[in-house]
Amino acid sequence: AQSVTQLDSQVPVFEEAPVELRCNYSSSVSVYLFWYVQYPNQGLQLLLKYLSGSTLVKSINGFEAEFNKSQTSFHLRKPSVHISDTAEYFCAVTTNAGKSTFGDGTTLTVKP
Amino acid sequence: GAVVSQHPSRVICKSGTSVKIECRSLDFQATTMFWYRQFPKQSLMLMATSNEGSKATYEQGVEKDKFLINHASLTLSTLTVTSAHPEDSSFYICSARLRGGKNIQYFGAGTRLSVL
Repeated sequence: AQSVTQLDSQVPVFEEAPVELRCNYSSSVSVYLFWYVQYPNQGLQLLLKYLSGSTLVKSINGFEAEFNKSQTSFHLRKPSVHISDTAEYFCAVTTNAGKSTFGDGTTLTVKP
Repeated sequence: GAVVSQHPSRVICKSGTSVKIECRSLDFQATTMFWYRQFPKQSLMLMATSNEGSKATYEQGVEKDKFLINHASLTLSTLTVTSAHPEDSSFYICSARLRGGKNIQYFGAGTRLSVL
């Protein structure tokens, strides 16, 4: 079985400040790791994924996440956030069989 | 690419009626589609896994006769909420896995179901 723990349910930050959204997981099998973003009343959009290779993955809008196998973590970071980054962020793991487990989500609120 | 269309985006219905939600992969073939339910301020709860041409696999606690899933083609899966009641009101999200892809799921925009 897999589980995902997002350590912070809410993260308020000021615009242009750095932010880190934490994600830890546990699994008895190999998994792929994902971060999704959800805006109000919308579905999930894929933000980042780690499938293999370099442990540091980056998105086109400045987010990055690093897979740390020893700490079973996949924390999401951004050096300078914008108002438009305000959203719900979900960390997820997916097994080879394709079954996904999501964390409870972190609400990122960027204040001016 | 990899766009998933979910329709309708919002539906309001009377208690006792049935509601059908469609999930289509527009530009790729999806052998597997997933249906999730999301309560306010909560995470996604997997309801069922839908494989093209076969019966859906439901998660524990999800009523098969209540939530009918059909995956008739490689680009379409439907979820029918039968005899809907107010407690079925929720946000339903589908996702599709790219055929031959690396377990990446592409999500629809969701359907807000409100049962009066």
